[in-house]
Amino acid sequence: QSVLTQPPSVSAAPGQKVTISCSGSSSNIGNNYVSWYQQLPGTAPKLLIYGDNKRPSGIPDRFSGSKSGTSATLGITGLQTGDEADYYCGTWDYSLSVGVFGGGTKLTVL
Amino acid sequence: QITLKESGPTLVKPTQTLTLTCTFSGFSLSTSGVGVGWIRQPPGKALEWLALVYWNDNKLYSPSLKSSLTITKDPSKNQVVLTMTNMDPVDTATYYCAHLVYNWNYRSPYYFDYWGQGTLVTVSS
Repeated sequence: QSVLTQPPSVSAAPGQKVTISCSGSSSNIGNNYVSWYQQLPGTAPKLLIYGDNKRPSGIPDRFSGSKSGTSATLGITGLQTGDEADYYCGTWDYSLSVGVFGGGTKLTVL
Repeated sequence: QITLKESGPTLVKPTQTLTLTCTFSGFSLSTSGVGVGWIRQPPGKALEWLALVYWNDNKLYSPSLKSSLTITKDPSKNQVVLTMTNMDPVDTATYYCAHLVYNWNYRSPYYFDYWGQGTLVTVSS
């Protein structure tokens, strides 16, 4: 069971918007930055968001991140079939002294 | 351009020791604020953080696996090596190495911005 809790799956139609939540605690999300990773089928994870809401160069502004208290959210607008992937949140947990990831959310673009 | 690539055996027997090498280019592990980490992913399951080594040779390990993991770096060869002892079938996974950026504000790992392609390791007799 992951320290960070994500919904197992979300779905939406092409062109629509979807949000993926990541719930943690004061020992992780509440006191550190959150990053988000996209894992397309059969490939390595790719950094989408860091520092709660910053996008690396090359990541379109359709992807956004936010945080409030001990929860973080990834938003994706203008959904495309190419966005179908697993999405993971990650951060550092001070109590456990380990990096932690969420259980992953599978995005289906209907 | 930063690249990383994992190498090592694809099949190990239970109780054996696994040695994986991460060979990287495009950055130096002697540069302040840089690290290399190992993350694994069992088939169909989530990512699991294993270990990382910083530019200053500080090392962090997953507490649940600390007794079986060792991470070392060789900046002159642009390599980081992970060894994992007493392998078990539950350790079957794809193992990734990744470039890490250090978080100076929180004095902790920040994010993995470049990942290797991963290498699948199967533990079976």
